[in-house]
Amino acid sequence: QVQLVESGGGVVQPGGSLRLSCAASGFTFKNYAMHWFRQTPGKGLEWVAFIRFDGTNKFYADSVKGRFTISRDDSQNTLFLQMDSLSLEDTAVFYCARAAGTFSYGAGWFDSWGHGTLVTVSS
Amino acid sequence: EIVMTQSPATLSVSPGQRVTLSCRASQSVYSNLAWYQHKPGQAPRLLIHGASTRAAGVPARFSGSGSGTEFTLTISSLLSEDFGVYYCQQYNVWPPLTFGEGTRLDIK
Repeated sequence: QVQLVESGGGVVQPGGSLRLSCAASGFTFKNYAMHWFRQTPGKGLEWVAFIRFDGTNKFYADSVKGRFTISRDDSQNTLFLQMDSLSLEDTAVFYCARAAGTFSYGAGWFDSWGHGTLVTVSS
Repeated sequence: EIVMTQSPATLSVSPGQRVTLSCRASQSVYSNLAWYQHKPGQAPRLLIHGASTRAAGVPARFSGSGSGTEFTLTISSLLSEDFGVYYCQQYNVWPPLTFGEGTRLDIK
């Protein structure tokens, strides 16, 4: 069955960096667009970043643009999120999700999600 | 950016009751709307896409309706396992993809 497992979260000081990973299994990873989302304490879901199935196009939320970088390694069936210049406001549970439908940009909804990894930015 | 607004913010309902959750978009998203259920410590679960199409494996007690700017998720007869936070999400115009703030559903 489809499985997405995030890792790499932890505690980091303001201004620091973290790299999140999302290990995919149970489907042909290279055929799917992927996204990162986050949920801040007491708040709802926020879209963070997108990568096309072939990695040729990427989009970011304004709140992370220039600080976060999404990438993928299809040989490892893994999605990444490099997070730099972290601030207190980046404290959240980060989720990876698979866009429904194959190729191109995928459909705009998400049929598989991971359980999330917690990122805490604190001095 | 399309702003999604959900109501009510919280709801406490007894098992067996009918539940209606609302979602409003700041501009038309046509039928490009999805609903998710999210329980603490779990992965979000897709319930509905295309405003009214149930995702695979979703029980028939969940139904979605609406188009344009007004949408509804209905649970016809609530089960205790249906607790959680429910989010609507538009995908008509992105980036950014946007979610409502969620409706927290508690079981009485």
